[in-house]
Amino acid sequence: QVQLVQSGAEVKKPGASVKVSCKASGYTFTSYDINWVRQATGQGLEWMGWMNPNSGNTGYAQKFQGRVTMTRNTSISTAYMELSSLRSEDTAVYYCARGGGSGYTFDYWGQGTLVTVSS
Amino acid sequence: DIQLTQSPSFLSASVGDRVTITCRASQGISSYLAWYQQKPGKAPKLLIYAASTLQSGVPSRFSGSGSGTEFTLTISSLQPEDFATYYCQQLNSYPFTFGPGTKVDIK
Repeated sequence: QVQLVQSGAEVKKPGASVKVSCKASGYTFTSYDINWVRQATGQGLEWMGWMNPNSGNTGYAQKFQGRVTMTRNTSISTAYMELSSLRSEDTAVYYCARGGGSGYTFDYWGQGTLVTVSS
Repeated sequence: DIQLTQSPSFLSASVGDRVTITCRASQGISSYLAWYQQKPGKAPKLLIYAASTLQSGVPSRFSGSGSGTEFTLTISSLQPEDFATYYCQQLNSYPFTFGPGTKVDIK
């Protein structure tokens, strides 16, 4: 069965960087995009960007341009999202989600990774 | 960017009720709309994609309709496990924006 398993919770200081991983299993990793979505406590969902694991091509939401980097290691079917220059407003649960299919949608999601930014 | 609005933002309903949630897009998105259900502490779950296609394994009491700028998610007979927050998402163009959510609570 398709699974996306994310790395554990992180606590970071303002100005630091965080790198969250998302390990895929149960399907061909390079056949579907990986998208990243975040959710602050009690708030809605915010799309951050996408990555094509086959080509490595990426696209980022304007809000995160210059601060986010999405990469992958195809040998271990793992995608990464690194966010730099962290501030308190970046405290949120970060999700990876598989994108693709006939209607292009996010059909499988990781369990989420809580990133807390605090001095 | 395409903005999505949802109405209502909060809905109180009873088991067995028919529930309808509306999602409106700031510009036409054809049928590139998905609906997700999210329960507290859990990842969103895909319910409907391409505006009206039921995701495999999702109960048939969920249905979606619409195209262009106006869309609806209908739950024909609300079940206890359906109390959750529902989000629409447009996948017509980047950035893939989400609606603000509709929380369905127990009356």
